[in-house]
Parts: sequence; structure tokens; C-alpha cells
Amino acid sequence: EPEVTQTPSHQVTQMGQEVILRCVPISNHLYFYWYRQILGQKVEFLVSFYNNEISEKSEIFDDQFSVERPDGSNFTLKIRSTKLEDSAMYFCASSVEFSYEQYFGPGTRLTVT
Amino acid sequence: ELKVEQNPLFLSMQEGKNYTIYCNYSTTSDRLYWYRQDPGKSLESLFVLLSNGAVKQEGRLMASLDTKARLSTLHITAAVHDLSATYFCAVDGGAQKLVFGQGTRLTINP
Repeated sequence: EPEVTQTPSHQVTQMGQEVILRCVPISNHLYFYWYRQILGQKVEFLVSFYNNEISEKSEIFDDQFSVERPDGSNFTLKIRSTKLEDSAMYFCASSVEFSYEQYFGPGTRLTVT
Repeated sequence: ELKVEQNPLFLSMQEGKNYTIYCNYSTTSDRLYWYRQDPGKSLESLFVLLSNGAVKQEGRLMASLDTKARLSTLHITAAVHDLSATYFCAVDGGAQKLVFGQGTRLTINP
């Protein structure tokens, strides 16, 4: 069964460093998303992406964040200068169409020290 | 702004008992999703509810949606230990985003 994959599974970085989180969505899906979950809290929407453009972003997704689909398979989230409060689990998701079921990847645990 | 509230947030129950988790949301939406999350794991899709009155069942779990009341329920029948997890409801917030509830941490004791 097709699934969303994410790498790395765990990333430790120092405050102020740049990180890139990678995702491979399900191959026939057209809509891609990033969410984050701070430990023990709810899942929060960051950004949605379609047709090589951001469709929607939340207040969390400020100028320090960017997304890119550099090739036909990868979807990346970049944080330019990490802060301690960026420590969280980051989930990538994809869906075949708008408002269809979103399938989540296993997540990348980001730890900022 | 769409708000999604779940209750209870914590639920400890015995095997064999029945219980219901409630999910209320603040603005109109016709699409609601239930996800399960095991500790340290990703979100597993359980149910997709796409219209008023939708009811779906899988094993000991049954989900329903009342869009007029802006309420969804997840009912657990004759709970077993394997159902211990955190359950999230998520509402289609439009603009291609899901808005999640806080999650209900369910513990089922033998």
C-alpha cells in the first residue's frame, strides 16, 4: 500500500541552524501539507501546497519557514534559523484532491538545543 | 476562526465497557475526520465523515456526524486493551487545511 515517507526520523540541531525536513508524498497525490505537533499537544497546520504554490499557511508559518517541491517526488520544509520552540514532531501529509482524506507520514522529530 | 473541542481529554476505562468521545466544532463544515495516534507514532486515519448524518463503523469503533449540531461522536463498544491510544478529530477548515481537536487519551485497563 502506498505511503508517505519522511526523512530523517529524528534531527537534532543547534539554535540558529537551518534544517530541511524531507517528505515523499504518495505518488498520485496532488496536495501536500506540513503539520507539527509539540510534545503532548494537538496537531497544528503549518502549510498546504498545490501546483507548486503555497495554497494556505498558518500564523506559525512565518518568514523562517519555506516549502519546496524540488523534483517530481520530494516535498521539503526548511526552517532557516531554528529556535528552541521549533522543537516538535513534524508531519508531512498528502491527499489526492482538495478536501479528500489526508495521509500522514511517520513524522520527523526535530530537537533544537 | 474554526475551533475544535474534544471531550473528554483523558479517559480511563475498563475492558468490556462502552464509552463515547465527543468532538464539537465552531463553524460550518461538512467534512470531519477521526485519527488514531499511538505514542511516538504517526496519525492513522480511522474514519472520514462527509455529510450530515454520516455513520461509519469499523470493529468496535463507530463514528457519526451531525453537521447541524456541529458535533461528531466516536463510540467505543466493549473496549479492548488494543484500543488504547490518543484519538483526534479533525475538521476541514477550508483552504486545504485540517483543524485538529486537542486529542483524547484513551487508556483501557484489563
